[in-house]
Amino acid sequence: NAGVTQTPKFRILKIGQSMTLQCTQDMNHNYMYWYRQDPGMGLKLIYYSVGAGITDKGEVPNGYNVSRSTTEDFPLRLELAAPSQTSVYFCASSYSPRSSYEQYFGPGTRLTVT
Amino acid sequence: KNEVEQSPQNLTAQEGEFITINCSYSVGISALHWLQQHPGGGIVSLFMLSSGKKKHGRLIATINIQEKHSSLHITASHPRDSAVYICAVTPRRETSGSRLTFGEGTQLTVNP
Repeated sequence: NAGVTQTPKFRILKIGQSMTLQCTQDMNHNYMYWYRQDPGMGLKLIYYSVGAGITDKGEVPNGYNVSRSTTEDFPLRLELAAPSQTSVYFCASSYSPRSSYEQYFGPGTRLTVT
Repeated sequence: KNEVEQSPQNLTAQEGEFITINCSYSVGISALHWLQQHPGGGIVSLFMLSSGKKKHGRLIATINIQEKHSSLHITASHPRDSAVYICAVTPRRETSGSRLTFGEGTQLTVNP
């Protein structure tokens, strides 16, 4: 299993541009998450999904959108990028809480908006 | 005030020392997690526990539910243990998903 994969690893955007961060997991996990990590801060939840077709906002959803058309994929869309969105983004997945709460993380995407 | 607080924020040790990182939380939880983030950025789950103690190699994690406190211990520390250690909890209020609330992390540096 590849686990959780993310692309790209690095990206530089200009203010106002848009992009999609890709996340794929091959563990048949129902639950998927997007976090951002700012220097010196704990990870913050942006959006999460409990299954295909179901998404919900986390703590810091403004400026982002997500979709979950398949169990495997959970892309994060940035519209009109702003410098405040400069961060490291992590995708994660987990089994249903009925069996396990452990989350598996992707390698991260380092995004700079200038 | 954060729901999850870690101490210390930074810790420097000499190789071979016994290390303790502390985590306090202020909400009822279903589980507590210890994660390790390497200098390259990747995050790996070390432990998930809801009571008692777990051990994996030189790492030991304990939790006291009544005191809302957990500790991560590293015995015989080694420079390769240098990383950020993150405490996170699954609040009991979560009814969907297994959303985590994270501490800010402890930067550990082990010198040879």
